[in-house]
Amino acid sequence: AQSVTQLDSHVSVSEGTPVLLRCNYSSSYSPSLFWYVQHPNKGLQLLLKYTSAATLVKGINGFEAEFKKSETSFHLTKPSAHMSDAAEYFCVVSDYNAGNMLTFGGGTRLMVKP
Amino acid sequence: EAEVAQSPRYKITEKSQAVAFWCDPISGHATLYWYRQILGQGPELLVQFQDESVVDDSQLPKDRFSAERLKGVDSTLKIQPAELGDSAMYLCASSFQPGSGANVLTFGAGSRLTVL
Repeated sequence: AQSVTQLDSHVSVSEGTPVLLRCNYSSSYSPSLFWYVQHPNKGLQLLLKYTSAATLVKGINGFEAEFKKSETSFHLTKPSAHMSDAAEYFCVVSDYNAGNMLTFGGGTRLMVKP
Repeated sequence: EAEVAQSPRYKITEKSQAVAFWCDPISGHATLYWYRQILGQGPELLVQFQDESVVDDSQLPKDRFSAERLKGVDSTLKIQPAELGDSAMYLCASSFQPGSGANVLTFGAGSRLTVL
């Protein structure tokens, strides 16, 4: 069975400093991995996806994530946080053996201080 | 840019009442999903449609929840009777190729339900 663990429920950074949101996954096959962002009272927006191509994936708004199979991790990073990055972030795994069903992590709330 | 439309955005109801949510996916997307997101948690799949057929409804509380997608386009999710624990955001999503290696979903803005 596939699962996702987001290691931090809340992360607080200052504007202009780096962002690191941690995600570990469990999957029986070669997974697809995603990061979605959700702003207050909004739907989820895809930030980036990994689908067995390049292990370093670049997404929108300056975010990127690196797939590390040996560590079963897919951490999300950004070099410099903006106030507009404050939102909830979800790491998601999809496994062919699970019928491509998506399993969501519990989410990490990112707070950005001025 | 194409969007997944949902209505209503907000619904307040009393317990034991009936509620319904509507979703119109992106044109051409054969797969439609309903998720429930309880405050502070990640979304959980309630039901998945492929065209008009249910693919997965294993997590749908069938004693009170029902979902349909009669013509394989828009969909309705109904709760009857609503209970206090049903208060949540109900998210609809659609995707084009569920069989592909990367099942990318596009989400609607959601319908927030409050049961009093």
